[in-house]
Amino acid sequence: QEQLQESGPGLVKPSETLSLTCTLSGGSLSHYYWSWIRQPPGKGLELIGYIDYSASTSYNPSLNSRVTMSIDTSKNQFSLKLSSVTAADTAVYYCAKGSRPIVVWGRGTLVTVSS
Amino acid sequence: EIVLTQSPGTLSLSPGEGATLSCRASQSLSSSFLAWYQQRPGQAPRLLMFGSSDRAPGIPDRFSGSASGIVFTLTISRLEPEDFAVYYCQQYGRSPYTFGQGTKLEIK
Repeated sequence: QEQLQESGPGLVKPSETLSLTCTLSGGSLSHYYWSWIRQPPGKGLELIGYIDYSASTSYNPSLNSRVTMSIDTSKNQFSLKLSSVTAADTAVYYCAKGSRPIVVWGRGTLVTVSS
Repeated sequence: EIVLTQSPGTLSLSPGEGATLSCRASQSLSSSFLAWYQQRPGQAPRLLMFGSSDRAPGIPDRFSGSASGIVFTLTISRLEPEDFAVYYCQQYGRSPYTFGQGTKLEIK
């Protein structure tokens, strides 16, 4: 059964870059889209963007200038970088399989932006 | 972008009752591109429905979905204790793909 696991720092300073990695187990990154979604504490869901196995990306325009996604199929990992973070970027970040719709979700990791 | 407005914000019902959740799109949206997710407290969301009315694998048949124009409905018959959660709709017909703000289904 496919499982996704997010990893990365739980605390990031304002103006720095948030970096997260998602590792897929029990499957392959080939032939699918892989998404990042975030959820501020007590709030709703926001799709950050997605990447496919060929590294083709699509980002939410609201975050477009600050987001970079990458993929390493040899390691079964894909990654998210979000630059110039502020407190408003504090959220649980989920990696997931699919975008239309999202079919498998990771458990999520809380990233807090604070000095 | 397409804005999805879910109603009600909170729905208070008892186990065994039926629930009707609504999701209204701000513009025309094909019924093929609407999904519903369930999020239990402290858990990640999980896919319930896609294409408005197709159940994801493992989802019981007490969950059903429908569409009428720009209004999409998730119906849960005979509520079980594990159904009390937050439900989100998502459109994936037009980028950026967007979510509704959620409906909390709570035990009365």
